[in-house]
Amino acid sequence: EVQLVQSGPEVKKAGQSLKISCKCSGLTSTNHWIGWVRQMPGKGLEWMGISFLRDSDVRYSPNFQGQVTMSVDKAIATAYLQWSSLKASDTAMYYCAIHGDGAKYWGQGTLVTVSS
Amino acid sequence: DIQMTQSPSTLSASVGDRVSITCRASQTISIWLAWYQQKPGKAPKLLIYKASTLESGVPSRFSGSGSGTEFTLTISSLQADDFATYYCQHYENFPWTFGQGTKVEMK
Repeated sequence: EVQLVQSGPEVKKAGQSLKISCKCSGLTSTNHWIGWVRQMPGKGLEWMGISFLRDSDVRYSPNFQGQVTMSVDKAIATAYLQWSSLKASDTAMYYCAIHGDGAKYWGQGTLVTVSS
Repeated sequence: DIQMTQSPSTLSASVGDRVSITCRASQTISIWLAWYQQKPGKAPKLLIYKASTLESGVPSRFSGSGSGTEFTLTISSLQADDFATYYCQHYENFPWTFGQGTKVEMK
C-alpha cells in the first residue's frame, strides 16, 4: 500500500528558513512524480511544482519559481519543500502527492504558520 | 500557462439531486483532466482521471465527460457524503493548474 507521510506542523517567524518533508512508502519503483500543493486558509488548491523521484528533475509553477526549492532523495523515497526566508503570506497547508493520471496518493498535509 | 475556470463557484442542492460542475480550459488539454473532492481538514481525493475514467473505489454516481476545453463532473444522485468542494486539474503540460473550486452545499 502506497503511503505518503509528511513532517509535522511548523510555527516560524518571518525571515526564518524551513524544510518540510514527504516520505513515500510502498512504491515499487522510483518512476514517480511527487508534487506539492498549497492551500492557504479558506482558499483553493494551488499547484506549486513537481519533482521526479528517479532523476530529481524539478518543474516549478511560475507562481512559485524562485520562492521555494523542491528536491528529492531517491535513496529514502522522500521529497522536500524548502524556503530560505519565510513570509507571513507563506502561512498555509502544504500537501504532497504522487501524480500519475491525476494524484491518487496524498500526504496528510503540513501546516506552516509564519508570524510577522 | 493553461488557466482552468470552474462554474459555478457554489452550488446549493438537496440529497437526490443530479448536479453538474463545469471546468473550462483556456486552451485544449485533450483528455488530460482530473477531478478531486475535498472535505474540510482533509487532503483531496481523486475521483476521475483522463476526463472520464472513474478512480477505483469511487461510487458510480460520479461521472466525468468532455475533451478539448470543456469538461463536466456529474453526480447522478447527490448523497449526504457528497457535500464538499470539487476541483478540476489539468495535466496536459507544466504547470498543472487547478480550477478555483466548486463548493457543493446543502440547499
